[in-house]
Amino acid sequence: DIVLTQSPALAVSLEQRATISCKTSQNVDNYGISYMHWYQQKPGQQPKLLIYEGSNLASGIPARFSGSGSGTDFTLTIDPVEADDIATYYCQQSKDYPPTFGGGTKLELK
Amino acid sequence: EVQLVESGEGLVQPGSSMKLSCVASGFTFSNYGMNWIRQAPKKGLEWIALIYYDSSSKYYADSVKGRFTISRDNSKNTLYLEMNSLRSEDTAMYYCANGLTGSFDYWGQGVMVTVSS
Repeated sequence: DIVLTQSPALAVSLEQRATISCKTSQNVDNYGISYMHWYQQKPGQQPKLLIYEGSNLASGIPARFSGSGSGTDFTLTIDPVEADDIATYYCQQSKDYPPTFGGGTKLELK
Repeated sequence: EVQLVESGEGLVQPGSSMKLSCVASGFTFSNYGMNWIRQAPKKGLEWIALIYYDSSSKYYADSVKGRFTISRDNSKNTLYLEMNSLRSEDTAMYYCANGLTGSFDYWGQGVMVTVSS
């Protein structure tokens, strides 16, 4: 299985930039597409898709969220961070079966 | 508006069985692969099962293979997860989500399954 590694937590100030990283144990690119997706989960809620295929913004997601990266190194950027963005963020790969998730990065306020 | 509504929440003893349901609306259910994904308390997300739009293929995580069965009834826009030989480590919030080969676009609100004596 492909293993995804995220830092457990990141402290950030409001209106600053947050960069959340995800490293994979194998390349998750294929034919120019990165099979990397990002989700936001707030306490007591289900996860919500933010970014799909590396850099595509999901429907209804604000433009302050962006995704980048390729191969084995990916980043979710939130710029600027708003109070409503305090949550846990998960990366997920769909290059190989089974689909796997990172352990999550909890975004906290400084 | 896409909606996925799970039901079947409960507390069961180890070794017993349980069946979860997920009713879909707001999209053409019969066109989409469907998944079950779970999250143990205070833990991360674990994909556990996928069923193709026409039930032609089913895939399972090793952790549930042989014990859980995913199925669907397209006439009722409903996804199911039958869980047998439940263990304490199956205690989790169970989510249904649509998607086939990529991201999980929409998720239900989840149902809690607790396996304890």
